Amino acid sequence: EVQLVESGGVVVQPGGSLRLSCAASGFTFDDYTMHWVRQAPGKGLEWVSLISWDGGSTYYTDSVKGRFTISRDNSKNSLYLQMNSLRTEDTALYYCAKAIGGYSSSFDYWGQGTLVTVSS
Amino acid sequence: EIVMTQSPATLSVSPGERATLSCRASQSVSSNLAWYQQNPGQAPRLLIYGASTRATGIPARFSGSGSGTEFTLTISSLQSEDFAVYYCQQYNNWPLGYTFGQGTKLEIK
Repeated sequence: EVQLVESGGVVVQPGGSLRLSCAASGFTFDDYTMHWVRQAPGKGLEWVSLISWDGGSTYYTDSVKGRFTISRDNSKNSLYLQMNSLRTEDTALYYCAKAIGGYSSSFDYWGQGTLVTVSS
Repeated sequence: EIVMTQSPATLSVSPGERATLSCRASQSVSSNLAWYQQNPGQAPRLLIYGASTRATGIPARFSGSGSGTEFTLTISSLQSEDFAVYYCQQYNNWPLGYTFGQGTKLEIK
């Protein structure tokens, strides 16, 4: 059974930093592109970032470029999101999601999310 | 950026009836379109990918159609568990973005 379990979400002050983790199991982790998607309270879904199967390629939505860094450790079946210079508008539930295949594919498994609250 | 527009924002349908949800892309996304279902407090669940292929374990009452800029999700006979929020998503414009529609809330009439 595929499982994605996020962790690391907390309350942080504007300008602060945070690292989210996603532990994957039930599939061959290093075969797949992985994504982070977020959902602000009461709002829709927003794609944040992706990382290729080997970590060699990463992409970001414009609003987080230069502040967030996605990474993975295939030896630990884990995905990460380093979040710096956090803003109030980054407050959201952050999901990790597995791609069906490569870049041009939908997301077939999602974790339950970890809540990041940016507030003073 | 490709903008995805879903209509209607809210759809009220009785159990057992058919529901039709629409999604429009601001430019062609070919068939690189997915539909997700999200129940309150839960993660999104993939229903349809490639505009018309049901994901693993998705009941046959869910069907998708369309290509280019116009897409439809049809639920043929609504069950109680189908009342949720539905999102469309394009993944044609990778890696510049995987934009989602704003969602359609399907509620019990």
